[in-house]
Formats: sequence, C-alpha cells, structure tokens
Amino acid sequence: DGGITQSPKYLFRKEGQNVTLSCEQNLNHDAMYWYRQDPGQGLRLIYYSQIVNDFQKGDIAEGYSVSREKKESFPLTVTSAQKNPTAFYLCASSMIAQEFNTGELFFGEGSRLTVL
Amino acid sequence: GESVGLHLPTLSVQEGDNSIINCAYSNSASDYFIWYKQESGKGPQFIIDIRSNMDKRQGQRVTVLLNKTVKHLSLQIAATQPGDSAVYFCAENRFVGASGSARQLTFGSGTQLTVLP
Repeated sequence: DGGITQSPKYLFRKEGQNVTLSCEQNLNHDAMYWYRQDPGQGLRLIYYSQIVNDFQKGDIAEGYSVSREKKESFPLTVTSAQKNPTAFYLCASSMIAQEFNTGELFFGEGSRLTVL
Repeated sequence: GESVGLHLPTLSVQEGDNSIINCAYSNSASDYFIWYKQESGKGPQFIIDIRSNMDKRQGQRVTVLLNKTVKHLSLQIAATQPGDSAVYFCAENRFVGASGSARQLTFGSGTQLTVLP
C-alpha cells in the first residue's frame, strides 16, 4: 500500500548526541515536509523540500538539518544545537500543486524523540 | 506573523449529538483551509477542505463553513460517535517557495473532542 513510513516510532537520545529520523514515501510525491508537535500546540514547520537536492527552512529550522538525495526519502537530523529536542516529529508529503489539486498533505505516523 | 487559532481547547459532546468546532484565522490572503483529525500518538488525517470561493462544503457526516468576513471556520460533525474522539486542527494552506509547488500549512493549537457515552 502507498504511504509514508517514519522510523523509529520512539527514540531516546542523550544530550549532546545527534539523531536522524527517517521518512520514506512511495506515493511518488515531489514535496516533503517535517513538522514538530509539542503538547497542546499545533504543528510547526521545520524544513520542506519541493524537489530532489533542494530544501528550504521552515519556521523553526535552527538545530535541525535535512537532505533530499532521493525523491522517496527526506531524513531529518536533530543536532546537539537544538536546545529543546524532545517532541513528536511528523513527516508529510504532497503532490506538486496543480490547478485542480487540493495539495493535501499525507502524514506519517510520527516519531517521538525523548532527550534523557 | 500570521496565525491560525482555535476558540476552545476542549469540547465534550454526548454520543449522537452534533459537534461544532470553531477556528479563527488572521491571514486575509489565505484561500484554502483544511481540517485534520489526529488520534492519540498518530499523524493527522485529512477530513475536509474548503477554498475561499466557497462558504460551505459537505462530506460524510462533516460540514465545513467558511465566513471570510470575520475570518472564521467551523467544522460540524453530525451524530458524533466515539470514534470521533480526537484532536481536530484547522490549517491555513498556501503555496510557498520560488516555484510555488510546495504547500505550507499553518496549524492552530487544536481542539480535543471527547465523545461521552
């Protein structure tokens, strides 16, 4: 079945360590996104990518890095520079917008990162 | 910056009653809005969307109303069921980037809907 797969679902990290969250999609979508969700808050955009080998910063990119070497994959690295990394991370993808396309985002099931 | 917000953080309804979840937005240039449902520990799922050239759109048991004059959205769920218990987000959706091919969503903080037996 087509969809977005995030891994791992749960991840624990010690302070000062970098961690990488995986996001893979087989929907043939061009655009991919990373969001962060904190308790009682909405989703905030970290990075997005419209095409392979290109990505743009979102609203809260500091302390994060991404790569887009393949259309299907958009991994997110949470670096030691991120001061408050404990959160629920959501990856999403969408088709290239067309005139009659809703541009709906399809989300993965999320990865919960806890810093010990 | 622009923001999308929700009037109430929690809403409890009796099973079988109708639910109304409200949302206010501040970007008058926004032309597309989406409602998402998020169950605990899962990613958001698309419920229904509406473009700014419409003021009402109906789906299966759900209706979205858009009032551009007061920048207000509402999601109505008919005959609310236990499976409707979740957090509901409204999101303002707009094109971003140089090519305008990616969409960026600005989410509200969500409303927790609890369906009582």
